[in-house]
Amino acid sequence: GAGVSQSPSNKVTEKGKDVELRCDPISGHTALYWYRQRLGQGLEFLIYFQGNSAPDKSGLPSDRFSAERTGESVSTLTIQRTQQEDSAVYLCASSPSTGGARNEQFFGPGTRLTVL
Amino acid sequence: AQTVTQSQPEMSVQEAETVTLSCTYDTSESDYYLFWYKQPPSRQMILVIRQEAYKQQNATENRFSVNFQKAAKSFSLKISDSQLGDAAMYFCAYRSGGSQGNLIFGKGTKLSVKP
Repeated sequence: GAGVSQSPSNKVTEKGKDVELRCDPISGHTALYWYRQRLGQGLEFLIYFQGNSAPDKSGLPSDRFSAERTGESVSTLTIQRTQQEDSAVYLCASSPSTGGARNEQFFGPGTRLTVL
Repeated sequence: AQTVTQSQPEMSVQEAETVTLSCTYDTSESDYYLFWYKQPPSRQMILVIRQEAYKQQNATENRFSVNFQKAAKSFSLKISDSQLGDAAMYFCAYRSGGSQGNLIFGKGTKLSVKP
């Protein structure tokens, strides 16, 4: 079946502009995660959605970052007033509800954001 | 807070040879899971292998195996019979047991495979 998809694949924006990044998880996956990967670095956790529970926003680096998820489907990560340090690859992952902590997270191909 | 450390930014191996990638972690939890993910140039993260902390037996997946030393908080990945397609970034990751929360990643090791 289809994997996790993300759009756009690449986004170039000017400093101060707002951007929206989209993630379509695997159908039926209740958990959805956003991570940020700066050049040459590991993945940093941003936010986690699980079903209808309140999201875990503990990884969001500032109030310029926000994310929404409609039910158990699409999620949008919004970065307001972008800064050059926001340049990174933004990765989305999803996983099913069964299996708990041993569950594999299935990753999308990411969106490469460049802030000029 | 839990941390994951990969001390080898880059590694190189000859095709058909064996290579071991190191990972250490710090936690006060007793229930957790450890993962190795592969990220080729396409950016798509792919699960290589996982280990439950409560299992003493080391996990294996075909040419990939781990050496899990719980007391030492060490979780190394061994790749046998290396292939050109194994060339990628490899990330070690930790997750607390009992929830489906986020993964905590190391900074990665870039593996090159020489023909």
